[in-house]
Order: sequence, then structure tokens, then C-alpha cells
Amino acid sequence: AQTVTQSQPEMSVQEAETVTLSCTYDTSENNYYLFWYKQPPSRQMILVIRQEAYKQQNATENRFSVNFQKAAKSFSLKISDSQLGDTAMYFCAFTYTGNQFYFGTGTSLTVIP
Amino acid sequence: DAGVIQSPRHEVTEMGQEVTLRCKPISGHNSLFWYRQTMMRGLELLIYFNNNVPIDDSGMPEDRFSAKMPNASFSTLKIQPSEPRDSAVYFCASRVSGANVLTFGAGSRLTVL
Repeated sequence: AQTVTQSQPEMSVQEAETVTLSCTYDTSENNYYLFWYKQPPSRQMILVIRQEAYKQQNATENRFSVNFQKAAKSFSLKISDSQLGDTAMYFCAFTYTGNQFYFGTGTSLTVIP
Repeated sequence: DAGVIQSPRHEVTEMGQEVTLRCKPISGHNSLFWYRQTMMRGLELLIYFNNNVPIDDSGMPEDRFSAKMPNASFSTLKIQPSEPRDSAVYFCASRVSGANVLTFGAGSRLTVL
């Protein structure tokens, strides 16, 4: 079975600080793609970052970076220099078919001014 | 590009009424997905289309739900008759063939009284 687990329902961070959101997944596939999506109060689902499982190098997008541990099936998101606009729900997801995407239950992040 | 466009943004209706949600995917994207988001169940895939053809509708909860994609630029999700338990946010997402990333619309929040 393909599953995604986000064990932190809620997190908070001070503005300008760094926070890491955890995600683990389970799959028997070897080639797949991992994602972090952000859902702010406007409820639009926005792609934050993605990682191809065959790439060893961790993906980075400006203040967002991931720590991808394939053997451990772990895919955490680090947000550096947190900003108020980072307040949102964050969903971890993966796909190996490109059609069925598996989403976690989300982590609600609040950035405190 | 305007992104994935969904309408209506909000819909409030009474139990038993027909509801039609609409989606315009990104031009050139040939796969379209309908998701439902609730607090209890998170993000659920209802149905997806490839090249306007429904491929997997196993997520459609029951016969009251139907989806169509008459052409590459338009899809509808219809609920008839609607029930209070159908209250949720319905997302449409699209992707281009070969790209394993979904682009979501802003969602349609449905409230059935």
C-alpha cells in the first residue's frame, strides 16, 4: 500500500527562524516523485518543491529545501527565514504513475510575528 | 497562462438540488483530475481523465456523482441529488503528459444545507 504520513498536525515558528516539517512515505516502487504543496487560507494548492527519487541531490527552491532520505523513506521540508506569508497547511505527496497522487494529512504551520 | 480555472468559487445549495462544478484546465495539459477535500478524509481523488477519456472513477463516492470532459478545455463534476455530506472543497487539477506534477485550481467550496 502507498501511504504518506505527516506526524505533525500543527507547528509554529517565529518569523525569520527556520522550521522543518516531517514526512514519511511507504512504497515498494523504486522510481517516483515527491512533492510539498502549500495551501494558504485562500485554499489554493501551490507547489512548493519537488524531488525525483532517482536524484540523490536534495531539491532547493529559494528558502525551501528538502532532506530526502530514500532508504528511510523520509522527505522533510525545511523553510529558512520564515515569513508571515508562509503560514499555511503543507501537504506532502508522492506519485509513481503520474496519475495516482498520494497525499498526507497535512501540517498546519503558523509563522508568529 | 491563467492556470486551472474553477467555478463557482462558492456554492450553497439545499439538499436534493443538483450541483454542477466546472473546470478549465491549463491549455496543453491533457490530464485532468477531480479531488475532494474534507477535514475527515483529507484529499481524495474522485476521477481523472487522460485526453478527455475517463480512466479511473473508482473514487467517485456513488451514483449521485458524475463527471464529464466533452473537450480538452472543459470538465464538469455534477452531484444530483446533493446531500449535506457532500459539503467539501472540490479541486480540479491538471498536468501535461510526461510531467509528474499537478497544478491545482482554487477549488469550489460546496455547502449543502
